[in-house]
Amino acid sequence: KNEVEQSPQNLTAQEGEFITINCSYSVGISALHWLQQHPGGGIVSLFMLSSGKKKHGRLIATINIQEKHSSLHITASHPRDSAVYICAVRSLGNQFYFGTGTSLTVIP
Amino acid sequence: EPEVTQTPSHQVTQMGQEVILRCVPISNHLYFYWYRQILGQKVEFLVSFYNNEISEKSEIFDDQFSVERPDGSNFTLKIRSTKLEDSAMYFCASSESGETQYFGPGTRLLVL
Repeated sequence: KNEVEQSPQNLTAQEGEFITINCSYSVGISALHWLQQHPGGGIVSLFMLSSGKKKHGRLIATINIQEKHSSLHITASHPRDSAVYICAVRSLGNQFYFGTGTSLTVIP
Repeated sequence: EPEVTQTPSHQVTQMGQEVILRCVPISNHLYFYWYRQILGQKVEFLVSFYNNEISEKSEIFDDQFSVERPDGSNFTLKIRSTKLEDSAMYFCASSESGETQYFGPGTRLLVL
């Protein structure tokens, strides 16, 4: 079973487009993380959310706890944003569950 | 900028052998984690460690696995008797407060 589901699995965008990646989860959580995984495999933490909205540069993350849903938005996308974006949750039992990731390609 | 480091970057071992994967977390961090990612699959949680003991572990983290903080700086993951299905990228992460985690570059383990 998948505790965390992401959509879409793959996304191709033109440079400058506004991008949205969605994450739904089925367990009670204490926190949700958005991560970026580069082609070489390295993982970078983008956001940790437990409520509301966070913004960092061109990235915005929102979470709706009642609906068990989070979105990651990228404004004015750029080819360097090309990566796999992963949603992960920390359950109330302090287990971590990861989505399968959304592979984003931004074309110049 | 401080970063999490992991050694070795690659390890090849024979099935049944013991391996130790090493991580040096960021120096003032108190929470440590191990994850694995089998090629082409999603990241999976193995274990979290705080205050010199395991705080949580997943179903994957069975008796073949152990973690240790032997000297106050290193954080190790030992697999006692490797199986073919242990082949994966293993990521260490650390956190100052248990919130934002900083990931190491990973160790790619190949079991033959």
